[in-house]
Amino acid sequence: NAGVTQTPKFRVLKTGQSMTLLCAQDMNHEYMYWYRQDPGMGLRLIHYSVGEGTTAKGEVPDGYNVSRLKKQNFLLGLESAAPSQTSVYFCASSYSRAGGEQFFGPGTRLTVL
Amino acid sequence: KQEVTQIPAALSVPEGENLVLNCSFTDSAIYNLQWFRQDPGKGLTSLLLIQSSQREQTSGRLNASLDKSSGRSTLYIAASQPGDSATYLCAVNSGYSTLTFGKGTMLLVSP
Repeated sequence: NAGVTQTPKFRVLKTGQSMTLLCAQDMNHEYMYWYRQDPGMGLRLIHYSVGEGTTAKGEVPDGYNVSRLKKQNFLLGLESAAPSQTSVYFCASSYSRAGGEQFFGPGTRLTVL
Repeated sequence: KQEVTQIPAALSVPEGENLVLNCSFTDSAIYNLQWFRQDPGKGLTSLLLIQSSQREQTSGRLNASLDKSSGRSTLYIAASQPGDSATYLCAVNSGYSTLTFGKGTMLLVSP
């Protein structure tokens, strides 16, 4: 099992450009999450999904959109990138909301110039 | 709103020492608490998961305890090794499909 994988690993964007980050998991987990990690701020939840076709906002959703068309994939989109979105993005998944252990991907390092 | 605090922010110890990392949270209504390890430039590796009904969990040289009523958890690392050097993160699951993270303790174990 690959666990949770993320594509791409690194990306540099110019302000105003758009991109999509892909997260895939092969553990048949229902729940998937997108976090961002910034120095001094820790990890913060952007959006999450409790199942195929569902999405919900987390703590810092502005400027991002998500889609969960297939159970194993969770996409994070930036429609018009801003320098404030320079961060490391982590995807995670778990099999249940209440008691489930979350498993994390290796991260995507995004720089917006 | 749940808040998670980790003390100390950084810790440097010689190899072989036993050490304790602390985590506190403001809202005791939690489902579980998870300890992670993060190496520089890498993702998060889950170390231990403690359900709200449990008092402690052990894995090898690691032991995590949970006192839900007082809003505290500790991660005990026995006989520390240089390979234990990393940032340790505590995260609380308050049951709304989210984890609230502390800012971590950066551990350096010197040979």
